[in-house]
Amino acid sequence: DQQVKQNSPSLSVQEGRISILNCDYTNSMFDYFLWYKKYPAEGPTFLISISSIKDKNEDGRFTVFLNKSAKHLSLHIVPSQPGDSAVYFCAARAIAGGTSYGKLTFGQGTILTVHP
Amino acid sequence: NAGVMQNPRHLVRRRGQEARLRCSPMKGHSHVYWYRQLPEEGLKFMVYLQKENIIDESGMPKERFSAEFPKEGPSILRIQQVVRGDSAAYFCASYTRNLSGRINEQFFGPGTRLTVL
Repeated sequence: DQQVKQNSPSLSVQEGRISILNCDYTNSMFDYFLWYKKYPAEGPTFLISISSIKDKNEDGRFTVFLNKSAKHLSLHIVPSQPGDSAVYFCAARAIAGGTSYGKLTFGQGTILTVHP
Repeated sequence: NAGVMQNPRHLVRRRGQEARLRCSPMKGHSHVYWYRQLPEEGLKFMVYLQKENIIDESGMPKERFSAEFPKEGPSILRIQQVVRGDSAAYFCASYTRNLSGRINEQFFGPGTRLTVL
């Protein structure tokens, strides 16, 4: 039961252009969404997050958009840089105070390659 | 993710042996999550521990796997009688709470890559 899905295994973008990574979820109990970036042989590094009460959160070159009705979120990177090349994971957390205890549910990841 | 320590970084075991993976959370954090990443997949939750307590082990396989977080020392994920299917990257994470008590993002360690021969 894949509750968080990243349907694009890979994405290739030219340096300076926009990268758009997509994520869909099925569980209505998710109230907090995060994006992590991961390099080979390293742990995931937190990038940006968004609460379900918002529809947009921006941090420098990174913007996350949330469409609750469509159960869809996306990460925009503008402008893309070669150093952004990594695996990007979308993750979701169920409503605090329930029995989820803050555990994260991850998508399968999207490999982003930014060409110089 | 600086601050969450895991060791060893690489562990090779033969089928039937035991694997012990250690995690020291960031300073001041008393909560640890363990996740497993199988090849070509995302991370999957295994267990959530506080000091001396297992809070949620709903993601742990029913047999051979156990976890602890003693009052002193690191959290340990123990896999008995390993099989080839246990080969994966195992990550631990710790988190902070903001002033309102809300959990913020989890910080991950570098992982332990277990290979079962």
